[in-house]
Amino acid sequence: QQQVKQSPQSLIVQKGGISIINCAYENTAFDYFPWYQQFPGKGPALLIAIRPDVSEKKEGRFTISFNKSAKQFSLHIMDSQPGDSATYFCAASTSNYQLIWGAGTKLIIKP
Amino acid sequence: GAGVSQSPSNKVTEKGKDVELRCDPISGHTALYWYRQRLGQGLEFLIYFQGNSAPDKSGLPSDRFSAERTGESVSTLTIQRTQQEDSAVYLCASSPQGQAYGYTFGSGTRLTVV
Repeated sequence: QQQVKQSPQSLIVQKGGISIINCAYENTAFDYFPWYQQFPGKGPALLIAIRPDVSEKKEGRFTISFNKSAKQFSLHIMDSQPGDSATYFCAASTSNYQLIWGAGTKLIIKP
Repeated sequence: GAGVSQSPSNKVTEKGKDVELRCDPISGHTALYWYRQRLGQGLEFLIYFQGNSAPDKSGLPSDRFSAERTGESVSTLTIQRTQQEDSAVYLCASSPQGQAYGYTFGSGTRLTVV
């Protein structure tokens, strides 16, 4: 119930393409869904987040799509660039402290 | 400070030795978290501190692991009698009032047990 399942484990996308990473959850009490980006040697950094009262949130080239009925949310990176190469983590939380993390997706953008 | 600061950034230790890792949270953040990240893996929750409340130690993998925090400031994670499987990056994060949407991570301490 507390798990967040993330896929794929790794992803290779050509420069300029669309990168899509998916996450699924079971706990309907989750009300906060962030995506974090982690570069080698650094801690994860918040990229974009959504709450379940909206179906989509866009910030620049990054978009979260949220499907409440399917209990799924995804990160779309438009016009993917080599600088987007990183590991991406989805997470979910109720209104308490604990973020439940996905296993991560290693994204490689090929020039 | 401006961000979460962790020290040392790298630590190599011999099997069986004790190590102490330090985390300085963002000023004003009452909540502090420790995570472990093995090479190429996700984030493994270790422990959570919120103000003066009793810490949530449910993620500590064994009694060789302990952590302390003084008030709402610095925290130290101590690993006693280190084993090779303790090799990982130890990440610290802080957030205001323990809210999930304020999470900010430090750059981590890379621990290598040889």
